[in-house]
Amino acid sequence: QVHLVQSGAEAKNYGASVKISCKASGYTFTNYWMHWVRQAPGQGLEWMGVINPSDGAATYAQKFHGRLTITRDTSTSTLYMEMSFLMSEDTAVYYCARIPGLITDVGPQGAFHTWGQGTMVIVS
Amino acid sequence: DIQMTQSPSTLSPSVGDRVTITCRASQNIDDWLAWYQQKPGKAPNLLIYRASLLGSGVPSRFSGSGYGTYFTFTISSLQPDDFATYYCQQYSTYSTFGGGTKVDIK
Repeated sequence: QVHLVQSGAEAKNYGASVKISCKASGYTFTNYWMHWVRQAPGQGLEWMGVINPSDGAATYAQKFHGRLTITRDTSTSTLYMEMSFLMSEDTAVYYCARIPGLITDVGPQGAFHTWGQGTMVIVS
Repeated sequence: DIQMTQSPSTLSPSVGDRVTITCRASQNIDDWLAWYQQKPGKAPNLLIYRASLLGSGVPSRFSGSGYGTYFTFTISSLQPDDFATYYCQQYSTYSTFGGGTKVDIK
């Protein structure tokens, strides 16, 4: 069964960086596109970016260009999201998510059939 | 960027009611649309994808329809477990979510 397990909550100061992880299991990690989505307290969902775990190529939402880096470690089937220059508006729950369909068969966008449990990041 | 306008923002139906939520895209997205249910403190759960296909294990009282720029999501007979917030998502170009609809207990 597909599982995405994220790292624990983080508290950061304004201007700092944060790196959170998402460990995948139950499938071949390099075969499926992986995404990050965030949700500020009491707010809606916001798509951040996507990575091809096979070659590491990532695409980011324009809003996060220059501050967001999505990477992966294929040896541990782990996805990472690093955000720099944190502001109070970055306080949110961050989710990793996977779309169905092999990378060789489908494009990077899709419905998110599997989600991590979420990681709370608080910036003060 | 494609904008998704979801309405209403809140609903207060009774158990057994038929509930309908709409989502409008700012440009054509064909049927690249999904619907999610989210409960407090939990990750979203996929209900509908490709505008009308039911997700795995999702009860048949949930349904979706639409194409192009106008989409609807329906719960045929609201159950107590259905009180939650619902989001639409377009995935035609990158990904954008609607603002959400909170279905509250009346």
